[in-house]
Amino acid sequence: ETGVTQTPRHLVMGMTNKKSLKCEQHLGHNAMYWYKQSAKKPLELMFVYNFKEQTENNSVPSRFSPECPNSSHLFLHLHTLQPEDSALYLCASSVLAGEQTDTQYFGPGTRLTVL
Amino acid sequence: AQKITQTQPGMFVQEKEAVTLDCTYDTSDPSYGLFWYKQPSSGEMIFLIYQGSYDQQNATEGRYSLNFQKARKSANLVISASQLGDSAMYFCAMREGGTGNQFYFGTGTSLTVIP
Repeated sequence: ETGVTQTPRHLVMGMTNKKSLKCEQHLGHNAMYWYKQSAKKPLELMFVYNFKEQTENNSVPSRFSPECPNSSHLFLHLHTLQPEDSALYLCASSVLAGEQTDTQYFGPGTRLTVL
Repeated sequence: AQKITQTQPGMFVQEKEAVTLDCTYDTSDPSYGLFWYKQPSSGEMIFLIYQGSYDQQNATEGRYSLNFQKARKSANLVISASQLGDSAMYFCAMREGGTGNQFYFGTGTSLTVIP
């Protein structure tokens, strides 16, 4: 595997379900990110981890719970979601969050549908 | 005010022709980076090109070039010799040097290459 991978690619869940999204980066980066992409809206940054430490939480509802066990893996745990949470969830990684030149590399995303 | 503005929701270009995708940005930080990403229908955001605020020359990467006009705060992407595979959404993004993690994205431009 190369680059940034995400599983599953598609997920349909009910509002009472609990599920997790997984992201793995094979680039040797130290920072990882979760973004939400809804139709006709700019990408929304959700969480940032730098060296496994969470450095950004952009007022994300508690029904989204991130976990970063190491610099290569990032999870997004989902529970009691709402239909408006349906979106494409993108994971990204970069060498070091906070540097001006730091380029983020994205995974293919998980298309989430909440019924 | 929006940090990144992309005013062209949709663009069409004939195969083998050049096309310019517009991007203007808003920042008072003298140090910033500008990025362009391509997002095909598969969902993955693919990094194309980077321009630093202190770079004297316009960035180029193969068929992609960035027309950087600092005084006008514009960072237009030029794609030369368009190919059918260039059909995708294109996003302009900015990172300010002083604010670290925040990566601002525009709403994107949908490019369709016509054979």
